[in-house]
Amino acid sequence: DAKTTQPPSMDCAEGRAANLPCNHSTISGNEYVYWYRQIHSQGPQYIIHGLKNNETNEMASLIITEDRKSSTLILPHATLRDTAVYYCIVRVGGATNKLIFGTGTLLAVQP
Amino acid sequence: NAGVTQTPKFHILKIGQSMTLQCTQDMNHNYMYWYRQDPGMGLKLIYYSVGAGITDKGEVPNGYNVSRSTTEDFPLRLELAAPSQTSVYFCASSKPGQGNQPQHFGDGTRLSIL
Repeated sequence: DAKTTQPPSMDCAEGRAANLPCNHSTISGNEYVYWYRQIHSQGPQYIIHGLKNNETNEMASLIITEDRKSSTLILPHATLRDTAVYYCIVRVGGATNKLIFGTGTLLAVQP
Repeated sequence: NAGVTQTPKFHILKIGQSMTLQCTQDMNHNYMYWYRQDPGMGLKLIYYSVGAGITDKGEVPNGYNVSRSTTEDFPLRLELAAPSQTSVYFCASSKPGQGNQPQHFGDGTRLSIL
């Protein structure tokens, strides 16, 4: 699986959009970009994933650059409850669906 | 909507003792996984299973064993517990797929070995 690079921490004001970057310069053509978050050492929560196209769901938007070497997770209106560690993971399309976690980005939403 | 259920939530074990961490899912997912998470670190894969009767090692399998006799259950056994196995253990499940199926996680078991 391709390695990802994320900033260790970020701040965001409540009500503003939070934009979390991720670099995955060695990504291969069949590798998906996944985002999970972990709040207070709870189990990781799935947010969104994509392959080539931008994706949006009720939680967030995922913007993948045209060369697929980086992506951005956007939380459109961050709340205090969005304070968490956010993990960007790239995963090979294969039989096992295994995830390789890095250390993620700690997003602190400030009141 | 139980999802993935792990028991116990907390446990203290003595060095050299054994125990089994339980994991069950009610989503009829074929794939199941065990991870451990040490403080300040990301999750590391211990074992995984793609179906009943099939298991395979992940990144950090030493000191652990698993079995998968049913689709629903995927217990993790610690034999001869060591302080290095103090960690938070997460179980997850997913549908089969070509890398495009998200994993669903339980709330974890916090295990201390003293």
